[in-house]
Amino acid sequence: DTGVSQNPRHKITKRGQNVTFRCDPISEHNRLYWYRQTLGQGPEFLTYFQNEAQLEKSRLLSDRFSAERPKGSFSTLEIQRTEQGDSAMYLCASSPRRLAGDNTGELFFGEGSRLTVL
Amino acid sequence: DAKTTQPNSMESNEEEPVHLPCNHSTISGTDYIHWYRQLPSQGPEYVIHGLTSNVNNRMASLAIAEDRKSSTLILHRATLRDAAVYYCILYHSGGSNYKLTFGKGTLLTVNP
Repeated sequence: DTGVSQNPRHKITKRGQNVTFRCDPISEHNRLYWYRQTLGQGPEFLTYFQNEAQLEKSRLLSDRFSAERPKGSFSTLEIQRTEQGDSAMYLCASSPRRLAGDNTGELFFGEGSRLTVL
Repeated sequence: DAKTTQPNSMESNEEEPVHLPCNHSTISGTDYIHWYRQLPSQGPEYVIHGLTSNVNNRMASLAIAEDRKSSTLILHRATLRDAAVYYCILYHSGGSNYKLTFGKGTLLTVNP
């Protein structure tokens, strides 16, 4: 299966600890997105990479959050000093570059990493 | 971003057609209409998209109103596996905006 892979799938941590999530996008997809989803809500955009460049960050991404994509392949999302409000599903998605200009915006999502902060 | 309006929930019976409505009265000429769905405990998955003309694929059909201010996702024969949250999203193609903005979607329940 060559879909988007996210690890770990589940993470339980105590308030104040740091956590890191990893996303492996579909090979050759140069765009990578992180979203956050809480119960009963749709996914909320956090940040977007084109290759290794982080081109957009949501205001939801506080100073405790940092995302990287060092070689334009996999990405990590780190949350420092976790708070109970950080409990959510963290979703990663990737998208290919459309050379023909027909950028129709199809995203391929992983199954998500569920974070529970106690 | 142009917004969409969907019913919070809908119910259907198995093997019957389902019509999921979406209103997008402020749509612009370059906005694509996308539908995604999210099965329980999974990430969203792409269903279908269109710009002006009706579209069909193996999963569903998309009917777009002539004025493009509304659209309908059609599942021709609902199965229990179609129970999910369905999101209608406007995607502005071109420029530097490459993200999808999700609303709350419509929770579809399929009865056996």
